[in-house]
Amino acid sequence: AQSVTQLGSHVSVSEGALVLLRCNYSSSVPPYLFWYVQYPNQGLQLLLKYTSAATLVKGINGFEAEFKKSETSFHLTKPSAHMRDAAEYFCAVSEATGRRALTFGSGTRLQVQP
Amino acid sequence: ETGVTQSPTHLIKTRGQQVTLRCSSQSGHNTVSWYQQALGQGPQFIFQYYREEENGRGNFPPRFSGLQFPNYSSELNVNALELDDSALYLCASSLGTEQETQYFGPGTRLLVL
Repeated sequence: AQSVTQLGSHVSVSEGALVLLRCNYSSSVPPYLFWYVQYPNQGLQLLLKYTSAATLVKGINGFEAEFKKSETSFHLTKPSAHMRDAAEYFCAVSEATGRRALTFGSGTRLQVQP
Repeated sequence: ETGVTQSPTHLIKTRGQQVTLRCSSQSGHNTVSWYQQALGQGPQFIFQYYREEENGRGNFPPRFSGLQFPNYSSELNVNALELDDSALYLCASSLGTEQETQYFGPGTRLLVL
């Protein structure tokens, strides 16, 4: 069974500061990993994905994430936060074969202070 | 290219009633997955449809059922609504079950009173 743990339900940073959102996963098979962002009253938008190619993945809006198999982690980072980054962020895992159903973490709400 | 659309956007029902939610997949996508997102939680997988057949189901009771039509649009039906069914219901489409990326619609917010 797969699972995702997102450490910190709320993260607050100052505008221009580094953003680090943590995600650890468990999976019995090589996983595919995703980060999605959800703005208030909206659906989920894909930020980036890892599908067993390069371990450092670049996504939209300046975000990137690094897959570390030894640590079973897939942390999301952005060098400089912007006010528009304030949203809920979800890490998700799916199996590399089969129905590819996503298992999500509980989410991290990012607050950006001016 | 049209993205994933869902209707209605909001819905209020009373306990015991039945509800139908609708989803139109992104152009060219033949696989639709449904997720339930309770307040303050991550989405949970309900089931997936591929070419009009159910292709896997999460830990949800049989009163959650679905359909996929020849144009790959989909419906989620929930019978005998319970208060805990209040949630945002998200539909996601992808191109075949082997394509890893799912694209989400804006969701339908259901409130059960």
